[in-house]
Amino acid sequence: DTAVSQTPKYLVTQMGNDKSIKCEQNLGHDTMYWYKQDSKKFLKIMFSYNNKELIINETVPNRFSPKSPDKAHLNLHINSLELGDSAVYFCASSQDGAGANVLTFGAGSRLTVL
Amino acid sequence: KNEVEQSPQNLTAQEGEFITINCSYSVGISALHWLQQHPGGGIVSLFMLSSGKKKHGRLIATINIQEKHSSLHITASHPRDSAVYICAVRSRSNYKLTFGKGTLLTVNP
Repeated sequence: DTAVSQTPKYLVTQMGNDKSIKCEQNLGHDTMYWYKQDSKKFLKIMFSYNNKELIINETVPNRFSPKSPDKAHLNLHINSLELGDSAVYFCASSQDGAGANVLTFGAGSRLTVL
Repeated sequence: KNEVEQSPQNLTAQEGEFITINCSYSVGISALHWLQQHPGGGIVSLFMLSSGKKKHGRLIATINIQEKHSSLHITASHPRDSAVYICAVRSRSNYKLTFGKGTLLTVNP
């Protein structure tokens, strides 16, 4: 069983469209994250949720809206996609958000905006 | 200047060599993570440490909190160790995880 699963793995879409990436973890972790890895392979935190509550919200355009229906799910919805949104998006989870536990990553979702 | 600096950026080694990757950071941290990203893109957490030293198989991670420095060592390196190794620190103040730019390791047979 995959511990942190993301769907879709690949997403190709046109500028201006709205798309969602879903993430689910079956580890019973309290905290989930979204990270963006750009073309230079640099990882950056976007959002973090602890028990469905937003605890970290980096300077991300408000076209990006995370939604956590329960603590096992953290979905990422992106409105009005732009070329610069092309990246690999990684979901991750940990037992807590305070850094006391290791992170488990999903396999990544490669988004290409044409 | 990035809060997390890794060196070297690229490293090529022959199979069997001892490898060291360094990570320096500038903020107070609650933990430091070493991650491995294979060419296929998946990211695996290797270590999380807040003091001292941890060992897992051929991998050893050390951290010196006073000097704000960590090292990842690989003994008896193997071509399958070829990957990008990423250091990340979790801020003590806001728990945000900040990543280094990664070290691309290539181990030749």
